[in-house]
Parts: sequence; C-alpha cells; structure tokens
Amino acid sequence: DTAVSQTPKYLVTQMGNDKSIKCEQNLGHDTMYWYKQDSKKFLKIMFSYNNKELIINETVPNRFSPKSPDKAHLNLHINSLELGDSAVYFCASSQDRADTQYFGPGTRLTVL
Amino acid sequence: RKEVEQDPGPFNVPEGATVAFNCTYSNSASQSFFWYRQDCRKEPKLLMSVYSSGNEDGRFTAQLNRASQYISLLIRDSKLSDSATYLCVVNDGANYQLIWGAGTKLIIKP
Repeated sequence: DTAVSQTPKYLVTQMGNDKSIKCEQNLGHDTMYWYKQDSKKFLKIMFSYNNKELIINETVPNRFSPKSPDKAHLNLHINSLELGDSAVYFCASSQDRADTQYFGPGTRLTVL
Repeated sequence: RKEVEQDPGPFNVPEGATVAFNCTYSNSASQSFFWYRQDCRKEPKLLMSVYSSGNEDGRFTAQLNRASQYISLLIRDSKLSDSATYLCVVNDGANYQLIWGAGTKLIIKP
C-alpha cells in the first residue's frame, strides 16, 4: 500500500500549457503539503493544507493553485507553464503541522 | 543568515569510517528537529527525529545543542548504502512550519 501517491510521475509539456498534479494519502493525516525541488536540489514549501484549509501559502506565482477536495487529497494546478517551472514537485502529509512528514515519490515536470 | 544552514559537501568518506555533519538554525524558539535522507531522484525520507537528550538508532546518532543552536548527525561504520543527501529540518517555532536545509551530500567510497 502506497502511503502518499502522486500522479503523474513524469510530465513533459510545452510552455503556456495548463497541467495538474494529483496527490493522495491513505495515512489519515490532517495536513498536506506541496514542495518544489529545483535543479539546485533545494526543497521549498509552496502550500500547506490542514483539514482542507490553506495554512501556508508561500510566495508562489498565482499561476499555481492548490485544491483540496478532502483531507486525503491535495491537487496542484498550474496555468500558463513557464520554463522556470521545470522541477520535481513533491507532495507530503503529516498527522499535524510540524510533525514528521511523509513524501510522495515526486512528479518530475519538464517544460519545453 | 539562512534559517537552516548545512555544509553542502560533498563529503567523500571511505567505507567503514565515521562521519559527522552539523546543521545550524537561527530560531531559538524551534522545538522540533529532524534528519531526513534523500537518495538521488527519490523523495526525502525520515531518518530520525532529534531529541533534547540526543538519540541513537543503530549506527546513527543525533545530537541537539540548544545553546549553540545546532544539531548534528554522526554515522559510524559507514556503508556504501549511506551515500545520499542528508537534510536537516527544523520547525520555525511560531507557525509550526518546518524549515528545510539545503542538504549535505555524502558519498561513501569502497
């Protein structure tokens, strides 16, 4: 059983397109996250939801919009993709804020 | 000053050796500390939490020094499979948000 799953694992798309990444966790956790890890390998928090409520919204272009239909899912929609959006996007979950986080396998996004 | 700082490395260490690296944090109100491990092209995974009294898990020992605001990770009898990037994670105190270091790359050589 996969604890935190993401789809797709790889995403290659053209500049200007709109794409979505889905995340699901079956751990019963209350908090979910989206991170971006760029080519320099630095892991940066983008968003965090606690019980479907947005609690962290870092300085991220408004082309990125998270959506949490329920506690087990946190999706990320990206409009008008740019070259600089190329990175690995990780979803994670934790029982509560500041608890141990469990990560999904990542979505490698390449924008051409 | 960055909130969480780590030496990026790489640390090139022969198999069987002991290696240690530190991570400094800037927020004295931080209460939770973790070491995560990330293999190449994989997701980060929890290695160990760091407790005030220090803790050990097999060949791995983590220590917290609140006065100097750093945590450390010691790996004894290093194995080839220990090669990875080790990420230091600290909570920011007020907002319960975890702040991630940039990671220290460790390469264990035969």
